[in-house]
Amino acid sequence: QVQLQESGPGLVKASQTLSLTCVVSGDSFTSGGYYWNWIRQPAGKGLEWIGRVYINGNTNYNPSLKSRVTLSLDTSKNQFSLRLTSVTAADTAVYYCAREIEYYDNTGYVSYYDSWGRGALVTVTS
Amino acid sequence: SSELTQDPTVSVALGQTVRVTCQGDSLRNYYASWYQQRPGQAPVLVIYGKNKRPSEIPDRFSGSRSGNTATLTITGAQAEDEADYYCHSWDSSVNRAYVFGTGTQVTVL
Repeated sequence: QVQLQESGPGLVKASQTLSLTCVVSGDSFTSGGYYWNWIRQPAGKGLEWIGRVYINGNTNYNPSLKSRVTLSLDTSKNQFSLRLTSVTAADTAVYYCAREIEYYDNTGYVSYYDSWGRGALVTVTS
Repeated sequence: SSELTQDPTVSVALGQTVRVTCQGDSLRNYYASWYQQRPGQAPVLVIYGKNKRPSEIPDRFSGSRSGNTATLTITGAQAEDEADYYCHSWDSSVNRAYVFGTGTQVTVL
């Protein structure tokens, strides 16, 4: 069974860069058919999709964050990473990594997150 | 970005049926997936595709879609179903971007 674990600094100063890593264990990180996603949740608020990266390096980003976000992966370490530049207090949130399964069947296009990390709280300080 | 709109709160009596709805243009063409989130925990997948459930999710959870609305139904709600529920699908206004619903807090009375 796949497991995901976020890691990175819990405090980041405003205007600096937030960097988080998600280590994947228990399954083949390089298997096709999976997208690797980042999702965040400010305290008391809803979930916000940040972006996703495929094993070939292709990425998709939330348009509202696209200018500040970079996702990458390191297959040798079974991990993928998030960089968010020029952070402000609005970026304070719990950050989750998640595995997405995507496919087509006779009912149409199907996509879902089957595995999530526990989440990492990142606080932006002034 | 395009939104997926959910009612903020819904309540249900123990053992009764509750429906959680999610409205958005993208749902006319794409299925929603649904996630349960209990306080302090990561979201958990409950429904995906055309009414599919992970093996560990009870069969009292089901999903459906009509027009621009996806619905998560809990038939015979239990105390442990009290949680926040989020739908998720494509953002119909942007190519290759996802969006989550605004979330519904389900209270079991």
